Amino acid sequence: AQSVTQLDSQVPVFEEAPVELRCNYSSSVSVYLFWYVQYPNQGLQLLLKYLSGSTLVKGINGFEAEFNKSQTSFHLRKPSVHISDTAEYFCAVISLAGGTSYGKLTFGQGTILTVHP
Amino acid sequence: GAVVSQHPSWVICKSGTSVKIECRSLDFQATTMFWYRQFPKQSLMLMATSNEGSKATYEQGVEKDKFLINHASLTLSTLTVTSAHPEDSSFYICSARDQVGSGINTGELFFGEGSRLTVL
Repeated sequence: AQSVTQLDSQVPVFEEAPVELRCNYSSSVSVYLFWYVQYPNQGLQLLLKYLSGSTLVKGINGFEAEFNKSQTSFHLRKPSVHISDTAEYFCAVISLAGGTSYGKLTFGQGTILTVHP
Repeated sequence: GAVVSQHPSWVICKSGTSVKIECRSLDFQATTMFWYRQFPKQSLMLMATSNEGSKATYEQGVEKDKFLINHASLTLSTLTVTSAHPEDSSFYICSARDQVGSGINTGELFFGEGSRLTVL
């Protein structure tokens, strides 16, 4: 089975500052990795995903993430945040193992990013 | 991207009543939809996988008779919370994978807006 750990439950930051949201995963098989954003009382929107290829993935709204296989990490970064980036961010993995786990999305606990003026 | 719509967005009901939540894929067909539950300040927990034309697959610990799932068409899945109690109050979110060229390779699930259930 796979698991996802987001190391920070809350990250406060000032506007225009850089930010990194950390994500580590555990899996005995290959996985695909995702970052989703959730605004209050809304569903989830995909920010970016890593399936294969280049380990640096660029997503929407200026976010990017780097897949590090040796450290089993997939940290999300943005060089300069805006007030509108305030939301909860979820890291997730899809297992590529066969059986009942195939295709299921497992989420981390979430990180609340609060951008202050 | 593809659009998934949930209805209702908010529902308040009395304890003991049943509540139905709909999940529709508006511009694509989905043979598989997923139902998640999210408690306040917690992550999303997969409840069940809804399969068009067959029975849903429930995760361990989820009561099948409590949370009835019906996937009657390629664009609609429903979750019925039967005999709801206050502890069933939660944010329920569905997601769907575009059937065309989906497989696992696109990897992307499209999420509904969520339905907040409050049981009094």
